[in-house]
Amino acid sequence: SQKIEQNSEALNIQEGKTATLTCNYTNYSPAYLQWYRQDPGRGPVFLLLIRENEKEKRKERLKVTFDTTLKQSLFHITASQPADSATYLCALHLNQAGTALIFGKGTTLSVSS
Amino acid sequence: DSGVTQTPKHLITATGQRVTLRCSPRSGDLSVYWYQQSLDQGLQFLIQYYNGEERAKGNILERFSAQQFPDLHSELNLSSLELGDSALYFCASSVDGVLNTEAFFGQGTRLTVV
Repeated sequence: SQKIEQNSEALNIQEGKTATLTCNYTNYSPAYLQWYRQDPGRGPVFLLLIRENEKEKRKERLKVTFDTTLKQSLFHITASQPADSATYLCALHLNQAGTALIFGKGTTLSVSS
Repeated sequence: DSGVTQTPKHLITATGQRVTLRCSPRSGDLSVYWYQQSLDQGLQFLIQYYNGEERAKGNILERFSAQQFPDLHSELNLSSLELGDSALYFCASSVDGVLNTEAFFGQGTRLTVV
């Protein structure tokens, strides 16, 4: 069955450093992959979407890469700030019809000042 | 504010009872997703509707059911509740539920079964 794995449950970094989060998937070849941010007790918020033919996408301090050969996406936050502390989730649709958006368990990022 | 409204925000009920969670999607969004998030679990996909019809089913228990009405709001019905059903239940909507559209989430309903 399809599976999404995010490399670690928690990541602790210092303010100003670059955070790199990993999302691996198996048994599927998604055409798109999405990243969301979730704060405790709140609903996830969409951050970025990347297509399979886009190697990299940027939005302000965020950068996402998508390697369909490795079946992996990397999510980078540069010049991290304490306000970036949250859980970050990757998501993809279960099939090419675009149904069933499923999520990884997430990586909780803590940025200390 | 995502534009997705979920009611109620909190719900406390006893085992064996039945509850209904309600979701109003963003204006114009045709697709609605339901998710369950427990303390030690990620977001578990339950079910998706598109324009009133069921589009995809995930790990939804037989005790749970959902529907999407003509005005596009959706309800998730949970019956014969067990302690393990205590969780945050999220609804999300998207314009058309296809590959290149993001989902917008509500603030969730926190269900506590005692």
